[in-house]
Amino acid sequence: NAGVMQNPRHLVRRRGQEARLRCSPMKGHSHVYWYRQLPEEGLKFMVYLQKENIIDESGMPKERFSAEFPKEGPSILRIQQVVRGDSAAYFCASSGAGETQYFGPGTRLLVL
Amino acid sequence: SQQGEEDPQALSIQEGENATMNCSYKTSINNLQWYRQNSGRGLVHLILIRSNEREKHSGRLRVTLDTSKKSSSLLITASRAADTASYFCATDAGTSGSRLTFGEGTQLTVNP
Repeated sequence: NAGVMQNPRHLVRRRGQEARLRCSPMKGHSHVYWYRQLPEEGLKFMVYLQKENIIDESGMPKERFSAEFPKEGPSILRIQQVVRGDSAAYFCASSGAGETQYFGPGTRLLVL
Repeated sequence: SQQGEEDPQALSIQEGENATMNCSYKTSINNLQWYRQNSGRGLVHLILIRSNEREKHSGRLRVTLDTSKKSSSLLITASRAADTASYFCATDAGTSGSRLTFGEGTQLTVNP
């Protein structure tokens, strides 16, 4: 049973470009969470999704950030017009019926 | 200050010694989880303790939870160099499948 998969593992973008981060949850999991980790800090919640629904987006910046989890395919975290402050590690986690969230390896975004 | 604060921020011990890390939080919780993160890697789930539990063991790990003091501790016995990592506590304050709030982490170094 493969774990949570994220790609790309590393992403470099120039200011103003778009970044798309993908997350495939563990098999059988229908809950997906996105977190952001700045250097030397803990993880900060961004958004919680189930298939085709955003359940809690209270941690998402109001502009430029969006997330989806379509009926088919991975969850996508999209950042438009990236700025240097968006440079961080973005982690996806998934859970099934239980409370434990299992994390992917993360995508490290660097904005030049 | 934030939910889920760990102390100490950094801990350095010798192989074979025990390591104790503490976590405090502010609001009522459904459960508390401990994760490990090796440098530049994803998070590995260690243990989950529910609000109605006081102590839990898993191998060399022992977690306690005191809801009256809103605190938890993680004890790693007979530490090994491979235990070197950052350790985070994360609280789940809502119903099953909700956001986790992470602390800033404790950086543990186990010297051979």
